[in-house]
Amino acid sequence: DTAVSQTPKYLVTQMGNDKSIKCEQNLGHDTMYWYKQDSKKFLKIMFSYNNKELIINETVPNRFSPKSPDKAHLNLHINSLELGDSAVYFCASSDREESTTDTQYFGPGTRLTVL
Amino acid sequence: KQEVTQIPAALSVPEGENLVLNCSFTDSAIYNLQWFRQDPGKGLTSLLLIQSSQREQTSGRLNASLDKSSGRSTLYIAASQPGDSATYLCAVDSNSGYSTLTFGKGTMLLVSP
Repeated sequence: DTAVSQTPKYLVTQMGNDKSIKCEQNLGHDTMYWYKQDSKKFLKIMFSYNNKELIINETVPNRFSPKSPDKAHLNLHINSLELGDSAVYFCASSDREESTTDTQYFGPGTRLTVL
Repeated sequence: KQEVTQIPAALSVPEGENLVLNCSFTDSAIYNLQWFRQDPGKGLTSLLLIQSSQREQTSGRLNASLDKSSGRSTLYIAASQPGDSATYLCAVDSNSGYSTLTFGKGTMLLVSP
């Protein structure tokens, strides 16, 4: 069973479009994250949600809007896509409140290409 | 602001060698440090997590050490195998409230048969 899943795996779109990436975790974790990995492979956190509430927003443009309908899902909606948004986006989850280790589990990534 | 540096950026070794990957961080006030593995086109897999109060963690052929005061961690891989070829990422969690991972840029390891 996949612990953290993302859809789609690949996304190719034109500049100016609006797109969404979905993330689901079946680990029962209370915290979910979105990371961006740029062309130089540098991985940086974008958002963190705990129990459906936004905890961390790391100076991400407001064109990016995360939405958490429940604890198991954290979707990422991007408006007015720009060339610089091209990257691999990773979703992750962890269980900070119940676990002493707080290991983060990552999804397989969504490769977004903006043309 | 926490910064994480990994050295070397790339490493190529013959199969069977023992090797060490290095990670340094600028702010010693950390909650934990994690080592991940990333295969090409894939997500990250957690290898080892060291709490700030711990000195090392071991899993099979992997051993990670942590020297918080000097801001350093090492990942030791014993008897390397071609299947160990991947990018290894070090990440520091600086927030004791909610997890905030700061990643290094990784070390790309190639183990040749």
